[in-house]
Amino acid sequence: KNQVEQSPQSLIILEGKNCTLQCNYTVSPFSNLRWYKQDTGRGPVSLTIMTFSENTKSNGRYTATLDADTKQSSLHITASQLSDSASYICVVVHNNNDMRFGAGTRLTVKP
Amino acid sequence: GAVVSQHPSWVICKSGTSVKIECRSLDFQATTMFWYRQFPKQSLMLMATSNEGSKATYEQGVEKDKFLINHASLTLSTLTVTSAHPEDSSFYICSARGYVAHRHTDTQYFGPGTRLTVL
Repeated sequence: KNQVEQSPQSLIILEGKNCTLQCNYTVSPFSNLRWYKQDTGRGPVSLTIMTFSENTKSNGRYTATLDADTKQSSLHITASQLSDSASYICVVVHNNNDMRFGAGTRLTVKP
Repeated sequence: GAVVSQHPSWVICKSGTSVKIECRSLDFQATTMFWYRQFPKQSLMLMATSNEGSKATYEQGVEKDKFLINHASLTLSTLTVTSAHPEDSSFYICSARGYVAHRHTDTQYFGPGTRLTVL
């Protein structure tokens, strides 16, 4: 069983709408949690990094939340744009710096 | 700062040939580089970790004689897929961490990836 589970596996929304992606993890002890955006055929690009003491962090239209007690994180995208179409990967970093990758959520934004 | 490049961005080769992929940290010193493989609709899978000047550490199930990794300098690591076969076709991504603006960081910076197709 993967230590980082993401849902949904894929999502289609209309341009301008908001959406929320979920990440549940069992990695312990954990150092930090990261959300990456990966465009098709490209490498991942970091969106947010949160330590266990941080509950929320924003980067433009992206807002990540973290509940270290329930081991859950979410990524909220506001006013989606066509360019938001990508895979969003949740990565939990173990205390030994090992990165545990989720399988990603494939987001498609349609006009 | 902290840009990682890969070359080539895509390569097509015949079965049995060897392919070399380069990973460069353009504006920082990469003391550690990582190589990942990603199959369609799947997440990144770590293949190996290499520290500059040392032999790479391979993940379980990754053949070190097939995937040769060299990290001879603080800005360059290479992955050579030897005797490539169609099942080696995948998206190979490197990442690097080290000293950015003279400060050590644990953040991994990813390259843009290399698409390998073996015919």
